[in-house]
Amino acid sequence: EVQLVQSGGGLARPGGSLRLSCAASGFDFQNAWMSWVRQAPGKGLEWVGRIKKKTEGATTDFAAPVKGRFAISRDDSKNTIYLQMNRLKTEDAAVYFCTSVAPGSWSWFGDAFDNWGQGSLVAVSS
Amino acid sequence: SYELTQPPSVSVSPGQTARITCSGDGLSDQYGYWYQQKPGQAPVLLIYKDNERPSGVPERFSGSSSGATVTLTISGVQTEDEADYYCQSVDTSGPPYVFGSGTKVTVL
Repeated sequence: EVQLVQSGGGLARPGGSLRLSCAASGFDFQNAWMSWVRQAPGKGLEWVGRIKKKTEGATTDFAAPVKGRFAISRDDSKNTIYLQMNRLKTEDAAVYFCTSVAPGSWSWFGDAFDNWGQGSLVAVSS
Repeated sequence: SYELTQPPSVSVSPGQTARITCSGDGLSDQYGYWYQQKPGQAPVLLIYKDNERPSGVPERFSGSSSGATVTLTISGVQTEDEADYYCQSVDTSGPPYVFGSGTKVTVL
Protein backbone atom coordinates (compact mmCIF):
# COMPACT_ATOMS: atom_id res chain seq x y z
CA GLU A 1 0.00 0.00 0.00
CA VAL A 2 1.33 3.42 -0.97
CA GLN A 3 1.65 5.80 1.98
CA LEU A 4 2.85 9.38 2.24
CA VAL A 5 3.02 10.40 5.88
CA GLN A 6 3.63 14.06 6.56
CA SER A 7 5.01 15.77 9.64
CA GLY A 8 5.97 19.27 10.62
CA GLY A 9 3.98 22.42 10.11
CA GLY A 10 2.47 24.67 12.73
CA LEU A 11 2.64 28.38 13.43
CA ALA A 12 5.38 30.69 12.20
CA ARG A 13 5.86 34.46 12.31
CA PRO A 14 6.06 36.42 9.07
CA GLY A 15 9.67 36.24 7.96
CA GLY A 16 10.19 33.00 9.84
CA SER A 17 10.91 29.45 8.72
CA LEU A 18 9.30 26.03 8.89
CA ARG A 19 10.18 22.60 7.55
CA LEU A 20 7.77 19.91 6.44
CA SER A 21 8.68 16.26 6.02
CA CYS A 22 7.04 13.52 3.99
CA ALA A 23 7.93 9.86 4.50
CA ALA A 24 7.03 7.55 1.63
CA SER A 25 6.45 3.81 1.51
CA GLY A 26 4.91 1.21 -0.77
CA PHE A 27 6.44 2.36 -4.05
CA ASP A 28 9.80 2.85 -5.77
CA PHE A 29 10.70 6.12 -4.06
CA GLN A 30 14.19 6.40 -5.53
CA ASN A 31 12.73 6.61 -9.04
CA ALA A 32 9.84 8.86 -8.12
CA TRP A 33 9.32 12.52 -8.79
CA MET A 34 7.81 14.19 -5.74
CA SER A 35 5.94 17.43 -5.35
CA TRP A 36 4.23 19.76 -2.89
CA VAL A 37 0.78 21.22 -3.47
CA ARG A 38 -0.90 23.69 -1.13
CA GLN A 39 -4.42 24.82 -0.41
CA ALA A 40 -5.16 28.10 1.34
CA PRO A 41 -8.24 28.14 3.60
CA GLY A 42 -11.38 27.91 1.47
CA LYS A 43 -9.36 28.08 -1.75
CA GLY A 44 -8.30 25.74 -4.53
CA LEU A 45 -5.17 23.71 -5.13
CA GLU A 46 -1.90 25.42 -5.98
CA TRP A 47 1.26 23.65 -7.11
CA VAL A 48 4.28 24.70 -5.00
CA GLY A 49 7.31 22.78 -6.21
CA ARG A 50 8.75 19.54 -7.50
CA ILE A 51 11.90 17.45 -7.12
CA LYS A 52 13.00 14.92 -9.70
CA LYS A 53 14.82 11.68 -8.93
CA LYS A 54 18.49 11.62 -7.97
CA THR A 55 19.62 10.18 -11.31
CA GLU A 56 18.09 13.30 -12.89
CA GLY A 57 20.10 15.49 -10.58
CA ALA A 58 17.29 15.83 -8.02
CA THR A 59 16.40 18.96 -9.99
CA THR A 60 13.86 21.24 -8.35
CA ASP A 61 11.29 23.63 -9.82
CA PHE A 62 9.08 26.08 -7.99
CA ALA A 63 6.01 28.18 -8.53
CA ALA A 64 6.70 31.90 -8.88
CA PRO A 65 5.19 32.92 -5.49
CA VAL A 66 7.66 30.75 -3.55
CA LYS A 67 10.73 30.74 -5.80
CA GLY A 68 13.83 31.82 -3.90
CA ARG A 69 12.17 31.29 -0.51
CA PHE A 70 11.27 27.59 -0.52
CA ALA A 71 13.53 24.60 -1.09
CA ILE A 72 12.81 20.90 -1.60
CA SER A 73 15.27 18.14 -0.82
CA ARG A 74 15.15 14.38 -0.68
CA ASP A 75 16.88 11.69 1.37
CA ASP A 76 16.52 8.45 -0.54
CA SER A 77 18.05 6.50 2.35
CA LYS A 78 15.00 7.50 4.42
CA ASN A 79 12.45 7.60 1.59
CA THR A 80 11.69 11.15 2.68
CA ILE A 81 11.33 14.55 1.09
CA TYR A 82 11.45 17.90 2.81
CA LEU A 83 9.98 21.32 2.15
CA GLN A 84 12.04 24.08 3.74
CA MET A 85 10.02 27.29 3.86
CA ASN A 86 11.93 30.50 4.57
CA ARG A 87 10.92 34.16 4.70
CA LEU A 88 7.33 33.09 5.23
CA LYS A 89 4.54 35.46 4.32
CA THR A 90 0.96 35.53 5.58
CA GLU A 91 -0.17 34.41 2.14
CA ASP A 92 1.81 31.17 2.56
CA ALA A 93 -0.70 30.01 5.17
CA ALA A 94 -2.27 26.83 3.82
CA VAL A 95 -2.53 23.09 4.10
CA TYR A 96 0.49 21.63 2.31
CA PHE A 97 0.17 18.26 0.61
CA CYS A 98 3.06 16.01 -0.32
CA THR A 99 2.44 14.11 -3.55
CA SER A 100 4.15 11.73 -5.90
CA VAL A 101 3.92 13.01 -9.46
CA ALA A 102 4.19 10.95 -12.62
CA PRO A 103 7.20 11.99 -14.72
CA GLY A 104 5.58 12.99 -17.97
CA SER A 105 3.11 12.26 -20.75
CA TRP A 106 5.15 9.24 -21.86
CA SER A 107 4.65 7.53 -18.48
CA TRP A 108 1.71 5.41 -17.40
CA PHE A 109 -0.01 8.16 -15.41
CA GLY A 110 1.26 11.02 -17.53
CA ASP A 111 1.71 14.13 -15.41
CA ALA A 112 -0.72 13.15 -12.66
CA PHE A 113 -0.35 13.68 -8.94
CA ASP A 114 -1.05 10.04 -8.24
CA ASN A 115 -0.61 9.73 -4.48
CA TRP A 116 -1.18 12.31 -1.76
CA GLY A 117 -0.17 12.74 1.86
CA GLN A 118 -2.65 13.69 4.55
CA GLY A 119 -1.71 17.37 4.56
CA SER A 120 0.13 19.63 7.01
CA LEU A 121 -1.30 22.89 8.29
CA VAL A 122 0.96 25.92 8.10
CA ALA A 123 -0.18 29.13 9.80
CA VAL A 124 1.71 32.40 9.42
CA SER A 125 0.77 35.13 11.83
CA SER A 126 2.35 37.70 14.11
CA SER B 1 1.21 30.41 -18.48
CA TYR B 2 -2.49 29.76 -18.89
CA GLU B 3 -5.56 29.23 -16.75
CA LEU B 4 -7.97 26.33 -16.48
CA THR B 5 -11.58 27.45 -16.16
CA GLN B 6 -14.19 25.39 -14.32
CA PRO B 7 -17.75 26.26 -13.27
CA PRO B 8 -17.85 27.09 -9.54
CA SER B 9 -20.70 24.73 -8.83
CA VAL B 10 -22.87 21.99 -10.26
CA SER B 11 -26.03 20.65 -8.68
CA VAL B 12 -27.46 17.25 -9.51
CA SER B 13 -30.09 14.87 -8.17
CA PRO B 14 -29.16 11.34 -7.10
CA GLY B 15 -29.10 8.95 -10.03
CA GLN B 16 -28.71 11.72 -12.59
CA THR B 17 -25.63 12.65 -14.61
CA ALA B 18 -23.27 15.45 -13.69
CA ARG B 19 -20.86 16.97 -16.19
CA ILE B 20 -18.01 19.28 -15.22
CA THR B 21 -16.06 21.10 -17.90
CA CYS B 22 -12.53 22.44 -17.75
CA SER B 23 -11.29 24.77 -20.47
CA GLY B 24 -7.85 26.16 -21.22
CA ASP B 25 -5.65 26.75 -24.24
CA GLY B 26 -3.06 24.21 -23.12
CA LEU B 27 -5.61 21.41 -23.13
CA SER B 28 -5.55 21.35 -26.91
CA ASP B 29 -2.19 19.59 -26.80
CA GLN B 30 -1.78 18.41 -23.19
CA TYR B 31 -3.66 15.81 -21.21
CA GLY B 32 -6.22 16.68 -18.57
CA TYR B 33 -6.44 15.13 -15.10
CA TRP B 34 -9.22 15.14 -12.51
CA TYR B 35 -9.17 14.98 -8.71
CA GLN B 36 -11.92 14.57 -6.14
CA GLN B 37 -11.57 16.23 -2.74
CA LYS B 38 -13.98 15.69 0.11
CA PRO B 39 -14.04 18.08 3.10
CA GLY B 40 -11.02 17.71 5.34
CA GLN B 41 -9.40 15.12 3.09
CA ALA B 42 -6.57 15.05 0.59
CA PRO B 43 -7.44 15.03 -3.11
CA VAL B 44 -7.70 11.70 -4.91
CA LEU B 45 -6.78 11.10 -8.56
CA LEU B 46 -9.95 10.24 -10.49
CA ILE B 47 -8.98 10.48 -14.15
CA TYR B 48 -5.60 10.63 -15.86
CA LYS B 49 -4.64 11.25 -19.49
CA ASP B 50 -8.10 12.70 -20.28
CA ASN B 51 -10.09 9.48 -19.93
CA GLU B 52 -8.19 6.80 -18.03
CA ARG B 53 -9.38 5.63 -14.63
CA PRO B 54 -6.97 4.43 -11.89
CA SER B 55 -7.84 1.09 -10.35
CA GLY B 56 -10.37 1.46 -7.60
CA VAL B 57 -12.18 4.44 -9.11
CA PRO B 58 -15.82 3.56 -9.79
CA GLU B 59 -16.88 3.18 -13.42
CA ARG B 60 -19.47 5.94 -13.05
CA PHE B 61 -16.59 8.43 -13.31
CA SER B 62 -15.42 9.02 -16.87
CA GLY B 63 -13.44 11.65 -18.72
CA SER B 64 -13.39 12.97 -22.25
CA SER B 65 -11.59 15.59 -24.28
CA SER B 66 -12.52 17.81 -27.21
CA GLY B 67 -10.34 20.63 -28.44
CA ALA B 68 -9.30 22.82 -25.51
CA THR B 69 -11.87 21.35 -23.11
CA VAL B 70 -11.87 18.26 -20.94
CA THR B 71 -15.02 16.99 -19.25
CA LEU B 72 -15.59 14.87 -16.18
CA THR B 73 -18.86 12.93 -16.26
CA ILE B 74 -20.38 11.30 -13.22
CA SER B 75 -23.12 8.90 -14.30
CA GLY B 76 -25.71 7.79 -11.78
CA VAL B 77 -24.56 10.29 -9.16
CA GLN B 78 -24.55 9.05 -5.58
CA THR B 79 -24.73 11.13 -2.42
CA GLU B 80 -21.13 10.17 -1.63
CA ASP B 81 -20.02 11.98 -4.81
CA GLU B 82 -20.69 15.33 -3.17
CA ALA B 83 -17.24 16.90 -3.19
CA ASP B 84 -14.96 19.44 -4.87
CA TYR B 85 -13.51 18.44 -8.22
CA TYR B 86 -10.35 19.91 -9.71
CA CYS B 87 -8.90 19.60 -13.18
CA GLN B 88 -5.16 19.85 -13.79
CA SER B 89 -2.83 19.95 -16.73
CA VAL B 90 0.70 20.80 -17.74
CA ASP B 91 2.04 24.20 -18.77
CA THR B 92 5.02 23.73 -21.06
CA SER B 93 5.81 27.46 -21.12
CA GLY B 94 5.57 28.27 -17.45
CA PRO B 95 5.43 26.50 -14.09
CA PRO B 96 4.95 22.82 -14.94
CA TYR B 97 1.54 22.29 -13.45
CA VAL B 98 -1.70 24.21 -13.43
CA PHE B 99 -4.94 23.48 -11.55
CA GLY B 100 -8.44 24.64 -12.28
CA SER B 101 -10.25 26.67 -9.64
CA GLY B 102 -12.45 23.74 -8.66
CA THR B 103 -16.12 22.81 -8.97
CA LYS B 104 -18.31 22.04 -6.00
CA VAL B 105 -20.76 19.25 -6.79
CA THR B 106 -23.88 19.28 -4.67
CA VAL B 107 -26.16 16.26 -4.67
CA LEU B 108 -29.67 17.53 -4.00
